[in-house]
Order: sequence, then structure tokens, then C-alpha cells
Amino acid sequence: NAGVTQTPKFQVLKTGQSMTLQCAQDMNHEYMSWYRQDPGMGLRLIHYSVGAGITDQGEVPNGYNVSRSTTEDFPLRLLSAAPSQTSVYFCASSYSGLRRGNTEAFFGQGTRLTVV
Amino acid sequence: ELKVEQNPLFLSMQEGKNYTIYCNYSTTSDRLYWYRQDPGKSLESLFVLLSNGAVKQEGRLMASLDTKARLSTLHITAAVHDLSATYFCAVDRGLLRTGANNLFFGTGTRLTVIP
Repeated sequence: NAGVTQTPKFQVLKTGQSMTLQCAQDMNHEYMSWYRQDPGMGLRLIHYSVGAGITDQGEVPNGYNVSRSTTEDFPLRLLSAAPSQTSVYFCASSYSGLRRGNTEAFFGQGTRLTVV
Repeated sequence: ELKVEQNPLFLSMQEGKNYTIYCNYSTTSDRLYWYRQDPGKSLESLFVLLSNGAVKQEGRLMASLDTKARLSTLHITAAVHDLSATYFCAVDRGLLRTGANNLFFGTGTRLTVIP
């Protein structure tokens, strides 16, 4: 019963490098999203997807790209890493907001990214 | 602009005591969530509150929702050390009709229970 799986757990990048954070869920959730967590600021939404082939920007999308080719996977790409992107990144999934009832989000274990 | 304010931000309490964490939000919302986060860990879902007057309880924690006042509370009864963690409330951003379950989080309440 894997739930939401993120890789890697830790990563150090040099300024200007690119990388992809992986996220996979096995709960057949329609909705997936990426958040970043910075000290004292809670979690902020980067990008989200309501289904395969559909993505949209959240609150802080600059410097990040996403794609959703399958229901299960939702990778987050850092195009050219900057020190301001040092943060902890969480992937989350849930049933669609269109469903009645419980749409609680399930979170992955997080990726701690440091950009030097 | 949607705002979600939690207070207190930091809470230190003795074992056995009761306390309440407050979550105020600035716009109408269909759903409110409470999460727990241990240091260096992920977020664990505690409660989902779906309607005005909803009350849910799990062990020493009880959450309630007043949509008219735009207020949710998380009440801790007879605190124990294991409850030490950061607690977040989150509201949906009003895009549920599009299928999006986007959440807006408060800044969290860091709870420390002292033996």
C-alpha cells in the first residue's frame, strides 16, 4: 500500500542546474499537486493537475514545470535551479474536487532540496 | 485574497492540560482540513470537515467548523507528549467545481507538550 511516493528524498544542486522531482501515486486519484514548504510560511501550491493531460499553475509557479502524461505520475521539473528554490517539496494526491464527500489529500514523504 | 490564520503559532503546554488552536479564514470555503506534521516528516491527515457545525473527534483531539464565522478549532484534551507536533489547517481554494482540490494552508501551530 504505497500511497504517494516521492523521489529523491534529498538533493543538492548547483545554481543553474536542472532536475526532476518524481511523484507517483497508486490510489487512482484524479487530482495531484506540488507544494513547497518554507519555514514560517506553511505550504504553498506550485502546480496542480485535475487529470492526465491537464495541468495548471498554483500560487508560486515560476521556475517550475510539470506534466501529467498518466494518472499515476506527476513530475516536477526545476528548469534552472536558484538558491530561492531551496525548500522542502511535497507532492499530494486526492480524489477530484467534483466528488461529493471526502477529498482529503495524501502527501508524499517530501524532497529536501538545497541549491548552492 | 484568501488568508488562513492560525493562532497561536507556538504553544507550550503541560501534560494533562487542555487547549484550543484556532483557524480563521477569510473567504467562504466548502471544506476544511487539519493535518499533523512531525519534524522532518510528511503531513498526516487528521480531520476533514465538510459542513457547518461539523465536529469530529479522534482520541484527545476534537475539531469543529463554523462556516458562518469562518472559524475552525482544534481542541486538545489532557495533552500527552506524543501530541507534540506542528498542526496545520487548510481550506480549499474554491475551485472544487473544476475538479481542483487546491488547498491553502495556515502557517501552522507548533505544539510542545512538556512532561
